Amino acid sequence: QKEVEQNSGPLSVPEGAIASLNCTYSDRGSQSFFWYRQYSGKSPELIMSIYSNGDKEDGRFTAQLNKASQYVSLLIRDSQPSDSATYLCAVYSGYSTLTFGKGTMLLVSP
Amino acid sequence: GAGVSQSPRYKVAKRGQDVALRCDPISGHVSLFWYQQALGQGPEFLTYFQNEAQLDKSGLPSDRFFAERPEGSVSTLKIQRTQQEDSAVYLCASSLDPGDSPLHFGNGTRLTVT
Repeated sequence: QKEVEQNSGPLSVPEGAIASLNCTYSDRGSQSFFWYRQYSGKSPELIMSIYSNGDKEDGRFTAQLNKASQYVSLLIRDSQPSDSATYLCAVYSGYSTLTFGKGTMLLVSP
Repeated sequence: GAGVSQSPRYKVAKRGQDVALRCDPISGHVSLFWYQQALGQGPEFLTYFQNEAQLDKSGLPSDRFFAERPEGSVSTLKIQRTQQEDSAVYLCASSLDPGDSPLHFGNGTRLTVT
């Protein structure tokens, strides 16, 4: 069974710090990777997509992918209280199925 | 429409009742997914459509769950003889292309079975 693993948290960081969220996946053939943010009671919203090894930056967010280690991470710089949410890692396993991790709760304290 | 639309937003059903949940994807999106999300968990895959074809239904938890997308646009997820363990948020998502496009989610339907 294809799996996506995340620490459930909560991960607590002070405002202005860097938050580091990690994800591992089991399917070596996976090619597409996504990070979603989900506020309580809301649906997931896409933050980042990454397809190639290395780093991809978008504003305060950086996604990092290492296919050899089957590892993908999300860094949030200058964390804000509004970043407090659950962050979901998602991996395309096979042709069509997007598999989600259970999510890591991030708490940013003022 | 501008986004994925789901209805109803909330549904309360007595155990044993049948329910139907509707999803209207983004216009032109080929792929449509249904997910089930229990409290404190990530979304769990239920089923996937490419246009009107149901290509993967491996995540449907029992034969009480049935999904269709007869004209390749609107989809309905039907749950027969609902049980308390069916209580969850049901999320619909669509994407432009299969395989590597990000999913765009609707607001979900929160189903409570009493």
